[in-house]
Amino acid sequence: NAGVTQTPKFRVLKTGQSMTLLCAQDMNHEYMYWYRQDPGMGLRLIHYSVGEGTTAKGEVPDGYNVSRLKKQNFLLGLESAAPSQTSVYFCASSFGGGTTGELFFGEGSRLTVL
Amino acid sequence: AQSVTQLGSHVSVSEGALVLLRCNYSSSVPPYLFWYVQYPNQGLQLLLKYTSAATLVKGINGFEAEFKKSETSFHLTKPSAHMSDAAEYFCAVIPVNFGNEKLTFGTGTRLTIIP
Repeated sequence: NAGVTQTPKFRVLKTGQSMTLLCAQDMNHEYMYWYRQDPGMGLRLIHYSVGEGTTAKGEVPDGYNVSRLKKQNFLLGLESAAPSQTSVYFCASSFGGGTTGELFFGEGSRLTVL
Repeated sequence: AQSVTQLGSHVSVSEGALVLLRCNYSSSVPPYLFWYVQYPNQGLQLLLKYTSAATLVKGINGFEAEFKKSETSFHLTKPSAHMSDAAEYFCAVIPVNFGNEKLTFGTGTRLTIIP
């Protein structure tokens, strides 16, 4: 029972490089989310999706892009990485929104930008 | 914007002692409230949630939280701490009248258990 799977789990980038984080869920959930976690700041919502083909901005969307071409996958892209994007990124999914059910989280992807 | 404030970024308690983690919300309309737990090197998992039913909510692993409208609080408690409770705990909120997609987290409280 995989749940929410994130790849890669660790990545080191140089400033200006690009990369994509992949999130896959096998629970047939409609909603998917990308959060970043930084010390002393909790989790902040980057982008989210309420269904296949839809995306919306969260609290801290600048410097990131997302796509939800398939219901089970939610991709987070960094076009030109900056040191301020060094963080731990968490993907989550839910059947409905947070009020109807719980969010299921992946184990995180630790990104370091030099 | 709806938010939650967690008092104390670090809390230490002795094994067997009461655990009390504080969370206050900012809203004139009671929102939906949640507590999540994050064990080391893992993602978050739901402990419990309040959605305007009973004000005392019981969760997993012996934790419970009481919604107090007069104090705008949703503190998390456990009568007797266990070593396995060591983790980071996050309070979170969703406004009732907004779209239910945007769960907003507090800054977290790291709980240490002293043997």
